Amino acid sequence: EPEVTQTPSHQVTQMGQEVILRCVPISNHLYFYWYRQILGQKVEFLVSFYNNEISEKSEIFDDQFSVERPDGSNFTLKIRSTKLEDSAMYFCASSGARGPGYTFGSGTRLTVV
Amino acid sequence: KQEVTQIPAALSVPEGENLVLNCSFTDSAIYNLQWFRQDPGKGLTSLLLIQSSQREQTSGRLNASLDKSSGRSTLYIAASQPGDSATYLCAVHTGTASKLTFGTGTRLQVTL
Repeated sequence: EPEVTQTPSHQVTQMGQEVILRCVPISNHLYFYWYRQILGQKVEFLVSFYNNEISEKSEIFDDQFSVERPDGSNFTLKIRSTKLEDSAMYFCASSGARGPGYTFGSGTRLTVV
Repeated sequence: KQEVTQIPAALSVPEGENLVLNCSFTDSAIYNLQWFRQDPGKGLTSLLLIQSSQREQTSGRLNASLDKSSGRSTLYIAASQPGDSATYLCAVHTGTASKLTFGTGTRLQVTL
C-alpha cells in the first residue's frame, strides 16, 4: 500500500538553528500538508499546499516557517530559527483530492535544546 | 471555528468487551470525518473515513457512524483485544477549509 515517507525520524537541534524536515508524499496525490503535535496535546494543522503554492495556513505558521516542493517527489518544511517551543512531532500528509481522506507519514520528532 | 471533542479521554476495558468511543463537532458543515489510531510516539494510521453523505463505515471489528446534523460520530470496537490498545483520534474535514481539525483523542487500554 502506498505510504508517505518522512525523514529523519528524530532530529535534535540547537535553539536558533535552521531545520528542514523532509517528506515524500504518495506519488499521485495533489494536496500536501504539515501538522504538528506537541507532547500530550492535539494534532494541529500548520499548512496545506496545492498546485505549488500554499492554499491555507494556521496562525502557528508564521514567518519562521516555509514549505517547498523542490522537485516532483519531495515536500519540505523549513523552520528558520528554531525555538524551544517548536519541539514537537511533525507529521506530513497527502491526499488525492479534498475528499477521499488523508494519508499521514510516521512523523519526525523534533527536539530543540 | 470547528471544535472537536472526544469522550472519554481514557478508557480501560477487559479483553473481549465491546466498546464505543465518542466524537462531537460544532460545525456540521463537514466534508468528511476520519478516525485514526496512534500508538505511543508513532504516526497516525487511518482506520475509517466517512463521507458527509454516509451514515456509517465498517472495517473488520470496527464500525464508525456519523450523524452530521447532531454533530456526532461514534467508533464501535467489537470484541476488543490487547492489540487494540492505542489512542484513537477523530478528525473532521470542514467543507470550507482544506485542513483536518483533530480531537484530543481517547486513550484505550485493553487488559488481559
